[in-house]
Amino acid sequence: AQSVTQLDSHVSVSEGTPVLLRCNYSSSYSPSLFWYVQHPNKGLQLLLKYTSAATLVKGINGFEAEFKKSETSFHLTKPSAHMSDAAEYFCVGRAGGYNKLIFGAGTRLAVHP
Amino acid sequence: GAVVSQHPSWVICKSGTSVKIECRSLDFQATTMFWYRQFPKQSLMLMATSNEGSKATYEQGVEKDKFLINHASLTLSTLTVTSAHPEDSSFYICSARDTDTLGYEQYFGPGTRLTVT
Repeated sequence: AQSVTQLDSHVSVSEGTPVLLRCNYSSSYSPSLFWYVQHPNKGLQLLLKYTSAATLVKGINGFEAEFKKSETSFHLTKPSAHMSDAAEYFCVGRAGGYNKLIFGAGTRLAVHP
Repeated sequence: GAVVSQHPSWVICKSGTSVKIECRSLDFQATTMFWYRQFPKQSLMLMATSNEGSKATYEQGVEKDKFLINHASLTLSTLTVTSAHPEDSSFYICSARDTDTLGYEQYFGPGTRLTVT
């Protein structure tokens, strides 16, 4: 079975410091993996996606993620947090030819001045 | 490009009435759309997969007679919550799959906040 696990429900950082949001996946197939961001009462915005073309994926707003097959991880990072980065982040998987997306539980990122 | 809209953005209805939520892909065709439900501070739960011109496929535990889905065109899917009750209050989000692009990426709508009183 496919699953996506976000290791932290809440992450708090100071503005200007690095961000690390952790995600592990379990899949019998070579997965497609995504990170989405959701601001309060808003829909989901795609930050980046991995589809086996390159293990280091760069996304919007300075975010990037690295696919590590040996660790079954797809952690999201950003060198320097901004106040506007405060939101809910979802790691999402799609395995093989299936249409369904598998959502992690989400990580709430708080950014303090 | 790849914009998905939802209407209304929020709706309040009385218990026992029905409410319809529209999901539109504005600049691409979507043979497949998805409906999700999100409770406060929780992740998204897939309710059903909507395929243009055919019946929707519902996830286990989702009542198909209560959550009616119609996907009559390549750019529009509707979700009707019938005989709504307060426990149906939630944030409903749709997504549309762009079948013309590699990766079958899904684009999400802004969501509809339903409150049943």
